[in-house]
Amino acid sequence: KNEVEQSPQNLTAQEGEFITINCSYSVGISALHWLQQHPGGGIVSLFMLSSGKKKHGRLIATINIQEKHSSLHITASHPRDSAVYICAAPVRYGGSQGNLIFGKGTKLSVKP
Amino acid sequence: EPEVTQTPSHQVTQMGQEVILRCVPISNHLYFYWYRQILGQKVEFLVSFYNNEISEKSEIFDDQFSVERPDGSNFTLKIRSTKLEDSAMYFCASRDREYSNQPQHFGDGTRLSIL
Repeated sequence: KNEVEQSPQNLTAQEGEFITINCSYSVGISALHWLQQHPGGGIVSLFMLSSGKKKHGRLIATINIQEKHSSLHITASHPRDSAVYICAAPVRYGGSQGNLIFGKGTKLSVKP
Repeated sequence: EPEVTQTPSHQVTQMGQEVILRCVPISNHLYFYWYRQILGQKVEFLVSFYNNEISEKSEIFDDQFSVERPDGSNFTLKIRSTKLEDSAMYFCASRDREYSNQPQHFGDGTRLSIL
């Protein structure tokens, strides 16, 4: 069965802390998605990556395709980073897009 | 930046009634998706749509569900006879082409409440 697992489920941090969220998956894929879901429910795509590392502002995503593992890091965290972070993988091996299966998400709260 | 827009943002419907959720994907995108998220649970795939037909659908997408692209801009999800368990957040997403390096773009969702 195709699975995407995330850890931790919940994470509380103090403003300024470095944050890491982990994702592991059982499907063979060529790319993985990181998404952000705000308290209002809307979903924003953060990254789609197939190898190595991508950086956008204070967000860094890494992936190891062989180990089927990805991490999302937030440097110098801020209360506005508080959201649910979700990783998602395409269902079909080799697909970088297409129908996604989602992890349960990591709820991040950053305290001032 | 172009956006996927969904309407309405919140829909309240009596059980057994038909409901249509609307989406306007990004204009040059070719692939369209519906996902749903029951409160407190993870996002689940419902259906994908390409070239005016369903590409894939999940086991959730039974005969009560249908999708349509009635014109060049709208992409709709219809639930024929709603059940209490259809209460969820429904997300539309789109992407441009098969092997694009761009991710799917999601709308803000429609919260469907079945009474």
